[in-house]
Order: sequence, then structure tokens, then C-alpha cells
Amino acid sequence: AQSVTQPDIHITVSEGASLELRCNYSYGATPYLFWYVQSPGQGLQLLLKYFSGDTLVQGIKGFEAEFKRSQSSFNLRKPSVHWSDAAEYFCAVDLNQAGTALIFGKGTTLSVSS
Amino acid sequence: DSGVTQTPKHLITATGQRVTLRCSPRSGDLSVYWYQQSLDQGLQFLIQYYNGEERAKGNILERFSAQQFPDLHSELNLSSLELGDSALYFCASSAGSPYGYTFGSGTRLTVV
Repeated sequence: AQSVTQPDIHITVSEGASLELRCNYSYGATPYLFWYVQSPGQGLQLLLKYFSGDTLVQGIKGFEAEFKRSQSSFNLRKPSVHWSDAAEYFCAVDLNQAGTALIFGKGTTLSVSS
Repeated sequence: DSGVTQTPKHLITATGQRVTLRCSPRSGDLSVYWYQQSLDQGLQFLIQYYNGEERAKGNILERFSAQQFPDLHSELNLSSLELGDSALYFCASSAGSPYGYTFGSGTRLTVV
């Protein structure tokens, strides 16, 4: 079955340090790939997306993600984390098939320490 | 403001009751999706409507139903509520693949 795996449930990073959140998907073809962020009590906000072309995509708030077909991965990165980045991050895939919708990973909670 | 409006923001109701959650999609988006978010299940897709017609169905219980009206707003009806239905319910809208979804701020449902 198609699935999205975010191996890290919770990550703590020091402010100013770099960040990488992992995402792996299980699907035969390359789906469309997304990262969303959810702050407490808020809805999900789209950070970035990949559907073709350059495998390194830039998003909002200084985030970027790299698609690696050989590893079925779409990891999210940020070179220097700010305290305001503390939130829950979700990786999602769009299989682009009729009758399907975005499939989300379980999420990674990011805490930022000072 | 994402452009997707959900009402109400909070809802507290008793077991066995019925509630209706409302969603207005972003202007121009024809697709509306409903998701349930709970601590143990994460984000679960419930149902999709496109321009008034049901297009996809996920893990939606038979006690739940939805519809999309001619003005494109959507309603999610939850009946015979159980304690386990307590969750955040999100509506999202989309202009289609590969643009992703725009989410509303959710309705927090508490069943007591």
C-alpha cells in the first residue's frame, strides 16, 4: 500500500543550527510531493512542493527540500532554525490518480531550544 | 488568512448527537477535501467533492456524510456521535494537481 513515512516523531534543534526532517514514500511512480507546517491551533500551511524538474526546491520561510528518486525521499532542510519554526511538519504525497487525495505522514514535531 | 473558511471553530456536543461543519473554499477552487486529525490516527482523508460531485472517498464512517452546494461551499455532517469522534476536522480546497491544497483553520469537535 502507498505510504508516507516520517521516521522522526520529535526533533529538538538549537536556534541557529541547521535542520533536516526526513520523509520517505512508498509508491511505484514518482508522486507529487509536499511539505506542510502546522503551528499549534492552526491549519496546515504549504511550505513547498515538487512535481518535476530541479530536484532541489525552494519554499517559504527559508526552507528547501531535495527529491531523491533512488531513495524515495523528500527531505526538508533549513540552514539556520529560528525559534518561530517550532511547529509540526507534515510530508504529503499526491498520487495524481482519480479517486485519491493527499496522503500525509504522521508528522514530525520540531522544538527549538535557545 | 488562507482563503478557506471553516465554521464553527469549536464545537462541544454530547454523544449521540448530530453536528454540521461548514467550509467555504478559496475563490476559484472547485475541489473540497475533508480531513480528520487525531493524535492516534494523524491526518486521515475523509472525502472529496469536485464541483458538486463526490470524487473520492477515504476512511469516512457511514455515520458521516458530506455534500457540496452550487456555490461550492461544503458541509460535513457527523451523526450518532461517539467519544472517539472528538478530533480536529479540516477542510481544504484545491485547483487540482499538482498545486497542493489550501487548508482552513479547522473545527475542533469535542464529544462529551
